Amino acid sequence: KNQVEQSPQSLIILEGKNCTLQCNYTVSPFSNLRWYKQDTGRGPVSLTIMTFSENTKSNGRYTATLDADTKQSSLHITASQLSDSASYICVVRAGGFKTIFGAGTRLFVKA
Amino acid sequence: EPEVTQTPSHQVTQMGQEVILRCVPISNHLYFYWYRQILGQKVEFLVSFYNNEISEKSEIFDDQFSVERPDGSNFTLKIRSTKLEDSAMYFCASSEGQFNGYTFGSGTRLTVV
Repeated sequence: KNQVEQSPQSLIILEGKNCTLQCNYTVSPFSNLRWYKQDTGRGPVSLTIMTFSENTKSNGRYTATLDADTKQSSLHITASQLSDSASYICVVRAGGFKTIFGAGTRLFVKA
Repeated sequence: EPEVTQTPSHQVTQMGQEVILRCVPISNHLYFYWYRQILGQKVEFLVSFYNNEISEKSEIFDDQFSVERPDGSNFTLKIRSTKLEDSAMYFCASSEGQFNGYTFGSGTRLTVV
């Protein structure tokens, strides 16, 4: 069964600190993996897209990694800001157009 | 920056009624999608649309649902005979190509009473 599991479920960090969010997936066939940021009541906003052959991709303070062998991805946030408080969702695209969303990690950044 | 626009932002409807959720995708995008998110749950794929036809749909997208691109700019989701469990946030998204990033709209919160 195609699944995307994220951990931790929620995370509280102090402003300025770094954090890493995890995503494990069992999706086949694999097309790409995306990380999104979703503010409460808003649509998801794309952070990174990674294909099978990519190991690392950065977007400002966000760096995503992908290990296609172990089917794991991580999202590292550097020097967190209060505005980083949101849900971070890992999304894996299977063959075709189907996308499987993880439940997200709820990040709280405190001053 | 180009946006995907959804209207209305909030729709309240009585059980059994039909609703139409509207979306204006980004103008040069060719692929369109509908997703839903029940409160507190994951985002779920409903349907993808390309070249004026459904390219893929999920198990959720049954005969109660239909999509249409009535003109060159709008993309609509119609839900017939709404049920209480249809209450959710419905997101429209579009992408330039099949493997490009998706741009999501801000969603329509549908409440069925």
